[in-house]
Amino acid sequence: GAVVSQHPSRVICKSGTSVKIECRSLDFQATTMFWYRQFPKKSLMLMATSNEGSKATYEQGVEKDKFLINHASLTLSTLTVTSAHPEDSSFYICSALGGGSFSYEQYFGPGTRLTVT
Amino acid sequence: GDSVTQMEGPVTLSEEAFLTINCTYTATGYPSLFWYVQYPGEGLQLLLKATKADDKGSNKGFEATYRKETTSFHLEKGSVQVSDSAVYFCALKESQGAQKLVFGQGTRLTINP
Repeated sequence: GAVVSQHPSRVICKSGTSVKIECRSLDFQATTMFWYRQFPKKSLMLMATSNEGSKATYEQGVEKDKFLINHASLTLSTLTVTSAHPEDSSFYICSALGGGSFSYEQYFGPGTRLTVT
Repeated sequence: GDSVTQMEGPVTLSEEAFLTINCTYTATGYPSLFWYVQYPGEGLQLLLKATKADDKGSNKGFEATYRKETTSFHLEKGSVQVSDSAVYFCALKESQGAQKLVFGQGTRLTINP
C-alpha cells in the first residue's frame, strides 16, 4: 500500500516550452501533496504544498507563476514548469500525505528528471 | 530556520561491516526525526523515526536514537548487506503536528560483497 507514482520519469524539453509532471497516489487519497526539487548532491528542497481544491502554498523564493501546481482530485497533483530554461533542469520529486491507516506520513514518488536544452 | 546536516558521502563498506551515518539538526522546538532511504530508481521510503528525546527508532536492522543533548540522530547498523546500498536521508519535522519535512543532503552508501 501507499504507492505514489510520477509521470514522466524523464523528460527533455526545449528552452521556452512548458512541461507538466503528474503525481498520483495509487491506493490512497491525499488531500495534501508536496513538490520537491533536488539538485545534484544536495538535499530535497520543498517547493510548495499542494492542497486538494485550493491554491498551493509556495515556499519563499519559488516563483508561483513559473511552477504552476494543480491539485484537482484527491489522487492527482500536477506541476507545470512554464517557459522552461536550462536552469530549471533538475530532479523533481512529489510526495503525498497519507491519512488514517497510512499514519499521516509522506509517501514519495520516484521522481522526474527534467532536462531543458 | 530548522536544518539538518549529514555526513558527506559517498560511503563505501564491505559486507558485514558496521555502519554509522551521522546526522545533526538545528531546530527551535521539539522536532520529530526521520531516516529515509532511496534505492536506485525508486522513491524515498521511510526507514525509521523518533518523535521525542531518547526514543530509538529501528527497522530492518537499522537503529537511530534521538539525542536532544547533542542534537543528533545517527543511523547505525551492525552488519550491512549489499542490498543496503542506497542513498540515506536524515530529516526532521518541526513538531508532530507539522507536515513539512526538512532534509539533509543525503549520503550515498555502497556495500561491496
